[in-house]
Amino acid sequence: KAGVTQTPRYLIKTRGQQVTLSCSPISGHRSVSWYQQTPGQGLQFLFEYFSETQRNKGNFPGRFSGRQFSNSRSEMNVSTLELGDSALYLCASSLGQPENIQYFGAGTRLSVL
Amino acid sequence: GNSVTQMEGPVTLSEEAFLTINCTYTATGYPSLFWYVQYPGEGLQLLLKATKADDKGSNKGFEATYRKETTSFHLEKGSVQVSDSAVYFCALTAYGGATNKLIFGTGTLLAVQP
Repeated sequence: KAGVTQTPRYLIKTRGQQVTLSCSPISGHRSVSWYQQTPGQGLQFLFEYFSETQRNKGNFPGRFSGRQFSNSRSEMNVSTLELGDSALYLCASSLGQPENIQYFGAGTRLSVL
Repeated sequence: GNSVTQMEGPVTLSEEAFLTINCTYTATGYPSLFWYVQYPGEGLQLLLKATKADDKGSNKGFEATYRKETTSFHLEKGSVQVSDSAVYFCALTAYGGATNKLIFGTGTLLAVQP
């Protein structure tokens, strides 16, 4: 069974631009979560989707948004990029309760210049 | 609120040494506890988990026991290898509810020297 796939693996953008990251979960998984990883803040939760509905959101500004499609694939969008948005963005998928295990993709490395 | 505290790194060991990485948590009820590992340039891989008090998770020679009385989930391995060099994250998900949100510790870098 294929794992979680994130595209693209690397992105370089400039301040003020917007970016869209994609995540394809493991087949059969309906829950998708996104995390931001930076050297200073560590791993921080962005949001979680289940069956196309956002059911949890982290403490990030409204510039960060996401959505989930009927096939469980998910995208996250960051508008008006700032230098501080440079990070590794990780997507994780899960079957959900009660197994409660999240499987991570390799991430998208975003650099904002 | 819920939180995870793990020991600062880096931890530098010689091959075949004994490893302990401390992890303590703050949470209501009975959270599920996890150890994830991240190799350079990769995402996170689940190493082991425990879902209730006194459960022992184990995988690839690593072990951790869910201690409710000390709110701890320390990671141990009897004999480390160079290939174990990576960053290790302790994490929890809150008890009950419908969310899978993971709360992570800051990570501990392990460097094993031959």
